[in-house]
Amino acid sequence: DAGVIQSPRHEVTEMGQEVTLRCKPISGHNSLFWYRQTMMRGLELLIYFNNNVPIDDSGMPEDRFSAKMPNASFSTLKIQPSEPRDSAVYFCASSLTIRGGEKLFFGSGTQLSVL
Amino acid sequence: QQQVKQSPQSLIVQKGGISIINCAYENTAFDYFPWYQQFPGKGPALLIAIRPDVSEKKEGRFTISFNKSAKQFSLHIMDSQPGDSATYFCAAYNQGAQKLVFGQGTRLTINP
Repeated sequence: DAGVIQSPRHEVTEMGQEVTLRCKPISGHNSLFWYRQTMMRGLELLIYFNNNVPIDDSGMPEDRFSAKMPNASFSTLKIQPSEPRDSAVYFCASSLTIRGGEKLFFGSGTQLSVL
Repeated sequence: QQQVKQSPQSLIVQKGGISIINCAYENTAFDYFPWYQQFPGKGPALLIAIRPDVSEKKEGRFTISFNKSAKQFSLHIMDSQPGDSATYFCAAYNQGAQKLVFGQGTRLTINP
């Protein structure tokens, strides 16, 4: 298995532009998580899906952030409009357990820079 | 109450020494305590984990010590090697809230 696949690896954009991050979870996993990592705040959970349904989006910072999971093999995290303070590494992770969160498999992340 | 406090922020250990990273939590609803290891440019990866019904778990050179009454747990890396240089995150999972909360991370450097 190729593991969790994220794209792009790096994204540089200008303030105000729309950014879409993509994630393909491990086949057979039923939970998917989006995390944001910064030096100041560490790893923050943004949103969590179980069986393609958003379960907890309390970590989504603002209405500018949205996430979708149209099927079991694909998810997107969209930022519109983007701002410099959104610059961070965004990780997607998936897990097999129904409860979720016990053993997460992380992708390699998307390094986002908003100028 | 959902926080996990991790220390130190950074740690330098000589090759062959013991690396110790500590974490503390408040919420007694946490029922699973994993440690993740992250190398530069990669996502975190599960290293070792413990449940609160045991006080210690050992896997090779890595040991978790768990003190339920003090609400603290720690990672010990014996015979630390340069390849262990990475960022380590403790975490705590609350089954009821279905939330995994991460500590702030410790950047470990093993000097050869």
